Amino acid sequence: DADVTQTPRNRITKTGKRIMLECSQTKGHDRMYWYRQDPGLGLRLIYYSFDVKDINKGEISDGYSVSRQAQAKFSLSLESAIPNQTALYFCATSDFDRAGGELFFGEGSRLTVL
Amino acid sequence: GEDVEQSLFLSVREGDSSVINCTYTDSSSTYLYWYKQEPGAGLQLLTYIFSNMDMKQDQRLTVLLNKKDKHLSLRIADTQTGDSAIYFCAERVGNQFYFGTGTSLTVIP
Repeated sequence: DADVTQTPRNRITKTGKRIMLECSQTKGHDRMYWYRQDPGLGLRLIYYSFDVKDINKGEISDGYSVSRQAQAKFSLSLESAIPNQTALYFCATSDFDRAGGELFFGEGSRLTVL
Repeated sequence: GEDVEQSLFLSVREGDSSVINCTYTDSSSTYLYWYKQEPGAGLQLLTYIFSNMDMKQDQRLTVLLNKKDKHLSLRIADTQTGDSAIYFCAERVGNQFYFGTGTSLTVIP
């Protein structure tokens, strides 16, 4: 089983709909992140959380909200989806107490907004 | 955010060495990373280097870090078709990670 699991893996929706992307992890990491990937733009940070009571905006938080329901769960919501939110979304976790402190990524959620 | 730059495309012949380059702007980065993304998959860590190191070797992978020029490179020896993927460099500055645009490596049989 994957250490970082994202659902759904693919979603097609219409403009104006509310969408939630969910992420759960079994790594026991406190730090969780949501990134967006667009071709030619790399990964851009949407929101991040360092524990259940800590939520921080990233570079491109407008139009998005998040909820950290538990240490293992971090969900991303699009309150009213628009076409330019069509992208590949990644959840990631990290543990800065380990050497390297790298990000561990989920498999991604591909969202298409029509 | 910080600027991390990579060229978008690289093609090499099978068996040759690949060198993927990355430049970054923040000299206070603590770690620098190379990730590999295969089609339809998430990013997987290939290797990382601590910012006070110049070189790190791991089997076919060699990472070179030039702190003066803020330049990071990844060399893949004996490149195979299975190495075809997008490669991202990233730096960690404080609590944040900054990613390059990714380099799409195509290995020609």
